[in-house]
Amino acid sequence: KNQVEQSPQSLIILEGKNCTLQCNYTVSPFSNLRWYKQDTGRGPVSLTIMTFSENTKSNGRYTATLDADTKQSSLHITASQLSDSASYICVVRGIAWYNNNDMRFGAGTRLTVKP
Amino acid sequence: NAGVTQTPKFQVLKTGQSMTLQCAQDMNHNSMYWYRQDPGMGLRLIYYSASEGTTDKGEVPNGYNVSRLNKREFSLRLESAAPSQTSVYFCASTHRTSPETQYFGPGTRLLVL
Repeated sequence: KNQVEQSPQSLIILEGKNCTLQCNYTVSPFSNLRWYKQDTGRGPVSLTIMTFSENTKSNGRYTATLDADTKQSSLHITASQLSDSASYICVVRGIAWYNNNDMRFGAGTRLTVKP
Repeated sequence: NAGVTQTPKFQVLKTGQSMTLQCAQDMNHNSMYWYRQDPGMGLRLIYYSASEGTTDKGEVPNGYNVSRLNKREFSLRLESAAPSQTSVYFCASTHRTSPETQYFGPGTRLLVL
């Protein structure tokens, strides 16, 4: 079982609408959680990173939240744009940050924004 | 800066053929990684190199070999390709002062027939 589960698998919304993507993880102990955006045919690009002590972090129209107690994170996109169409990947790093093999990737949520 | 570059962008192989995927970064990063990405699954680590001259196995190393040629370049070799190795391969790198931030290349799409 993957230690990082994302939902929904895919989502279609209209331009201008808001949406929220979910990430549940079982990685423990936990160091940080990062959200990546991956455009079709490209590599992932980092959006936000949060440590266990942070509850929320924003990057423009993207706001990530983290509840380390329930091991849940969400990515909220406000006033969506066509360019937001992409896959959004949740990545959780365990406490052994010096261990390069200690990151777990979710399968991603495929977001499509339609005009 | 070109960032992380990968070649080729796309490759078709027959079962049993060999090939090398190339990756280079011009950001003076210490660590480099090879991942594969399959539909419905998260990226999985194949091999990584914490620094020049060192390589270590990741989650799915079987069927692959790597070479950290120098600080800039990290190649992934398939000695005898199998259909199960059909995937998109991503190279990534990090600097030792910011190990949390991975920079990814554009990917190589590999089809093994």
